[in-house]
Amino acid sequence: DIQMTQSPSSLSASVGDRVTITCRASESIGRYINWYQQKPGKAPKLLVSGASRLENGVPSRFSGSGSGTDFTLTISSLQPEDFATYYCQQSYSIFITFGQGTRLDIK
Amino acid sequence: EVQLVESGGGLIQPGGSLRLTCAASGLTVSRSYMAWVRQAPGKGLEWVAVIYKDGDTYSSDSVKGRFTISRDNGRNTLDLQMNSLRAEDTAVYYCAHVSTGWSNDGFDNWGQGTMLTVSS
Repeated sequence: DIQMTQSPSSLSASVGDRVTITCRASESIGRYINWYQQKPGKAPKLLVSGASRLENGVPSRFSGSGSGTDFTLTISSLQPEDFATYYCQQSYSIFITFGQGTRLDIK
Repeated sequence: EVQLVESGGGLIQPGGSLRLTCAASGLTVSRSYMAWVRQAPGKGLEWVAVIYKDGDTYSSDSVKGRFTISRDNGRNTLDLQMNSLRAEDTAVYYCAHVSTGWSNDGFDNWGQGTMLTVSS
């Protein structure tokens, strides 16, 4: 199975900060990576599909990039509602895998 | 509007069986790419099983041979039959759907989840 390694596992930041979360695949997955945001007690929410395609309604401060094995999710200016856990997920293989998650806390 | 509502979770003893159901509205399960994803308490997301539009199914190594994903076209539901349950199967189980129908896209529709606890 394709392993997805996210870093960092946790991150403390302040409102207005620019933050970047990285996901590395154990083999090339093209651009078949998706990013989710999850808040406590809630289902995940899809933010980015196909490495860089922002879902409808997702603020433009979110952006995704990368191809092959290395990918990033960037939040350009953190807002209070962005503090959550973020997951990457590869959709290249029929055997789907998620990253272990990045918890983003308020500093 | 797409809505997914899971049911069937609860407390069950190790070795037992249970069937989860995801009732779908606003979409046709028989023409959809859908999956079950679980999340153990305090842990990350784990893919469990998937069903393609053509009916092909796949499951993770951790549940292979014990869990079966299926769909009931008449009731428009996605099901997960779980046998030989173990403590490590304890989790919130979500059903998820890709509205484009393309398996390479992300899951943009999720249910609220149903909690399964496996314990004696």
